[in-house]
Amino acid sequence: AQTVTQSQPEMSVQEAETVTLSCTYDTSESDYYLFWYKQPPSRQMILVIRQEAYKQQNATENRFSVNFQKAAKSFSLKISDSQLGDAAMYFCAYGNNNNDMRFGAGTRLTVKP
Amino acid sequence: KAGVTQTPRYLIKTRGQQVTLSCSPISGHRSVSWYQQTPGQGLQFLFEYFSETQRNKGNFPGRFSGRQFSNSRSEMNVSTLELGDSALYLCASSLVWAGEQFFGPGTRLTVL
Repeated sequence: AQTVTQSQPEMSVQEAETVTLSCTYDTSESDYYLFWYKQPPSRQMILVIRQEAYKQQNATENRFSVNFQKAAKSFSLKISDSQLGDAAMYFCAYGNNNNDMRFGAGTRLTVKP
Repeated sequence: KAGVTQTPRYLIKTRGQQVTLSCSPISGHRSVSWYQQTPGQGLQFLFEYFSETQRNKGNFPGRFSGRQFSNSRSEMNVSTLELGDSALYLCASSLVWAGEQFFGPGTRLTVL
């Protein structure tokens, strides 16, 4: 079964600095998708960034970028120029073509002014 | 375009009762997934529906069931409630599978 591991329960970053959130996953499938979701204190979960496993190029969305290492089954999220609004729970997620989605336990990110 | 809506937002039930939660996806989205979120277990996948068919189911007991209607609205039902069913239940819709999932605000269920 696919599993997603986020080894950092909590992280903190100074405003305007850069932070990297770690995620590893375990799968025997070759075709899958990886996601980072953000859940602010208001609880509405929103997609931050998405990566297809067949793509070698790392996904980037403005200040958010990933480091996708397929062989190592690693999918970290880098947040540059951190802002107060980035404070939230961040979930790494794995999805496959069997319509199954697995989430990591989450990392709570605190941004210090 | 309206987002995913879930009703009710909060619910208090007692052990042994049953509950039905509702989810209205974004217009045009045919895939609806349900998740249970608890502090101890995190986010766990319950099931996914597409065009009124359950395509996949997570590892939950048969007390948890769901359905999808022809307008893509979905309901999930939990029978014989247990204290451990207290959780935030999230619904998410997407246009296609493995595309972006749009989450609703969730229904907070408390079982006393």
